Amino acid sequence: GDSVTQMEGPVTLSEEAFLTINCTYTATGYPSLFWYVQYPGEGLQLLLKATKADDKGSNKGFEATYRKETTSFHLEKGSVQVSDSAVYFCALTGYNFNKFYFGSGTKLNVKP
Amino acid sequence: GAVVSQHPSWVICKSGTSVKIECRSLDFQATTMFWYRQFPKQSLMLMATSNEGSKATYEQGVEKDKFLINHASLTLSTLTVTSAHPEDSSFYICSALPDRDQPQHFGDGTRLSIL
Repeated sequence: GDSVTQMEGPVTLSEEAFLTINCTYTATGYPSLFWYVQYPGEGLQLLLKATKADDKGSNKGFEATYRKETTSFHLEKGSVQVSDSAVYFCALTGYNFNKFYFGSGTKLNVKP
Repeated sequence: GAVVSQHPSWVICKSGTSVKIECRSLDFQATTMFWYRQFPKQSLMLMATSNEGSKATYEQGVEKDKFLINHASLTLSTLTVTSAHPEDSSFYICSALPDRDQPQHFGDGTRLSIL
């Protein structure tokens, strides 16, 4: 069945460091891919998405490219800030955006 | 943009009581809403899919009689945790599907603590 695997955390970085959080997926057909962010005590916020191969989603300095050949959707940011500290979830869904499959989440800690 | 409101955001109650959590889509109609449960430091687990005007579809392993879901209108779904016990303590998150061309929008979650 469909599934998402993302790197375990926590990831601890200094401010202005480069961030990569790996995400790979298994799916039938052509899924849409997402990154969600969850700040402490809050729900999920959509960070970015990509709906077809080679699409690049971007928002707030974060980027991820839908790579069908490697079934990956790695999250990157060139220079992280303390305010980026949160848990990041990779997710996929089918063509009708119905059932979501979430990765286990990666906690990011950014130190000043 | 599409906004989903969840209420209450935090509830503490005694063991044996029932707790109702509301999920509202504020500026769109949602024929489908979803309820998730999140354990500490873990990912979201889909509990059930709530369809307006019909019975909810529960995921395997989720007790239907324990977690009652009612989707009475196109903007409101409720989750009632019946006869709650400490093991039901968790973070519950709802989401709503605006239409087939948009992904789910999530509420801010409800932290449920059963004493």
